[in-house]
Amino acid sequence: SQQGEEDPQALSIQEGENATMNCSYKTSINNLQWYRQNSGRGLVHLILIRSNEREKHSGRLRVTLDTSKKSSSLLITASRAADTASYFCATDAGNAGKSTFGDGTTLTVKP
Amino acid sequence: DAGVIQSPRHEVTEMGQEVTLRCKPISGHNSLFWYRQTMMRGLELLIYFNNNVPIDDSGMPEDRFSAKMPNASFSTLKIQPSEPRDSAVYFCASGDRGRKGYTFGSGTRLTVV
Repeated sequence: SQQGEEDPQALSIQEGENATMNCSYKTSINNLQWYRQNSGRGLVHLILIRSNEREKHSGRLRVTLDTSKKSSSLLITASRAADTASYFCATDAGNAGKSTFGDGTTLTVKP
Repeated sequence: DAGVIQSPRHEVTEMGQEVTLRCKPISGHNSLFWYRQTMMRGLELLIYFNNNVPIDDSGMPEDRFSAKMPNASFSTLKIQPSEPRDSAVYFCASGDRGRKGYTFGSGTRLTVV
C-alpha cells in the first residue's frame, strides 16, 4: 500500500495565490521528499526534509513536517502558471533508501 | 551531468513480443529504481538495486518481468512476453541512499497492442 497520501487530489487557483498541499503517511520515516511532475515528463525532486527537521525553504517553496501527526505540507507562494503540475510526496522509512510515493496532487494555476 | 538516461522514449509493440527498457543512472549514485506509472495505479515501485544488487523486487508484477544491473552504469527492465495491460510509462531513477532525493529519467512510454 502507498505510504504517502496527498490531499487534495486536485487544486485549482489563480496566478499569484498560494497553494498548499498536504501529505500524510503511516509509519515512522527517515525523511520525506516532494517532487513535481509536469505532464508527460519525469518527476523532479524539489525538496527533502529529514525527520528531525520541522520546516525547510527553497525559493517560493516551504515544506513543513509534523512527525507527531505523520504529516507534511508543501506551500507554494505567489504561484505562477508554470507551477501547473502534479506534486508527489515520497517517504523513506527504512535503511535501504527506498521511498514510497503517494498518488499526487494535481495543481492548476490559472493565468 | 546528463541526468538519468532512458531509452527508448517510446515503444509500441505487439502483444507477445519481448520488450527491453534501458537505463543509465547518474554516475556515483548507488541506488537505482524502476517505477511504472499508470492512471489507474499511479506510481508503482517495481524493483530497486543498491550497489548493483537487487534489494526488493516485490513490486514486479509477474514472472514476465525481469530486471538486471550488470554494472553501476546500466540497467535493463525486460518484459517477456508483453501484454496490453503492461502499457504504461516506465521510469528509472537513481539516488544516493535517499540523502538528496532521486533523479528521474524522462521515462519510456510503452504501448502494447
